[in-house]
Amino acid sequence: QKEVEQNSGPLSVPEGAIASLNCTYSDRGSQSFFWYRQYSGKSPELIMFIYSNGDKEDGRFTAQLNKASQYVSLLIRDSQPSDSATYLCAVLSGGYQKVTFGTGTKLQVIP
Amino acid sequence: DTAVSQTPKYLVTQMGNDKSIKCEQNLGHDTMYWYKQDSKKFLKIMFSYNNKELIINETVPNRFSPKSPDKAHLNLHINSLELGDSAVYFCASSLVPMQGATEAFFGQGTRLTVV
Repeated sequence: QKEVEQNSGPLSVPEGAIASLNCTYSDRGSQSFFWYRQYSGKSPELIMFIYSNGDKEDGRFTAQLNKASQYVSLLIRDSQPSDSATYLCAVLSGGYQKVTFGTGTKLQVIP
Repeated sequence: DTAVSQTPKYLVTQMGNDKSIKCEQNLGHDTMYWYKQDSKKFLKIMFSYNNKELIINETVPNRFSPKSPDKAHLNLHINSLELGDSAVYFCASSLVPMQGATEAFFGQGTRLTVV
């Protein structure tokens, strides 16, 4: 079982719709959870992090965490073509800052 | 005033050669990483250093040797390069967390092509 799993996509949504990206993780002791966005040919950049159960909102982005189900998601409201990128879920676990990434979900927002 | 900088950005070399990639961060972070991103975009951790000390060493061939002369620098040396080493290598850094939440800042990546 992979440590962090994501559907590779591509996930296609029309402009203005809500994009929902999902991630599951295997280590119950994981502490923090991150969503990174990576445009083609660029480096990953952090969108949000969450470490408590529930929802965390930042602008058009909402991260949701359910530790009991070992599940974290990212919702993007009012999706824009500029949101088209690969979204990487990352999980921090262990005592030494090990951040493990999922394989990423490619999002395509269609104008 | 780039936060995490890697050099070179592109590296094309022949099989069997030895090459190095350099990384520097000016964020004052204690922890630095090397990640490898393959053609399928999977970002896999290779090494992590905290204050010049190796703390994470994933299953990586011993042809790969990281070196951290100080906490602001983490270089990656690769011996006897193989075709399968072709990938994008990312350096990253992060603070040691106070409450378990930390952000890793990435360099722009080094695209290594072995021919």
